[in-house]
Amino acid sequence: RKEVEQDPGPFNVPEGATVAFNCTYSNSASQSFFWYRQDCRKEPKLLMSVYSSGNEDGRFTAQLNRASQYISLLIRDSKLSDSATYLCVVHLRGKSTFGDGTTLTVKP
Amino acid sequence: DTGVSQDPRHKITKRGQNVTFRCDPISEHNRLYWYRQTLGQGPEFLTYFQNEAQLEKSRLLSDRFSAERPKGSFSTLEIQRTEQGDSAMYLCASSPTSYLAGGPLEQFFGPGTRLTVL
Repeated sequence: RKEVEQDPGPFNVPEGATVAFNCTYSNSASQSFFWYRQDCRKEPKLLMSVYSSGNEDGRFTAQLNRASQYISLLIRDSKLSDSATYLCVVHLRGKSTFGDGTTLTVKP
Repeated sequence: DTGVSQDPRHKITKRGQNVTFRCDPISEHNRLYWYRQTLGQGPEFLTYFQNEAQLEKSRLLSDRFSAERPKGSFSTLEIQRTEQGDSAMYLCASSPTSYLAGGPLEQFFGPGTRLTVL
């Protein structure tokens, strides 16, 4: 079993749709959690950190459930520019473990 | 440009040759990471440095791989006796450290070095 697992998708949604991505992690001692975005042939970039209390940044909402070892990302009112691969990242004592990503394509 | 830079951007080599990649992190960042990424996979952790100290190295890394950060600034990743399976994008990232939070802040990635082993 991989340390960080994501549904690879692809998710194909129309503009304006709401889409949710899930991620599970295996190590209960994990300390920090993030969502990164990676565009095709580009480097990953931080989308948002994930906190136990949940956090929101505009159209993006991230949730962490430590008991279930589960992280989610919700994107509301999808834009064409949201098309990318979304990487779940779990950090423990200096080591960051990335999921394999979920690919989102937003269509007109 | 004050971001993370990597050199070269592309490297084509023959099996059995040695290659070395360089990463220049954001100057005030004391953590530096190396990752490897293949198509359809997320970045795979290789190693990381806190200043000049190499604090962790992936078990996946064979003895053919070595990384250094001699003065706590730039870092090099060397692959000896390259194999076709080494073909991948090699990503470097840097971050400051937040001791209060117990973990790193955002990691800033460089554009990567794409290695092709023929």
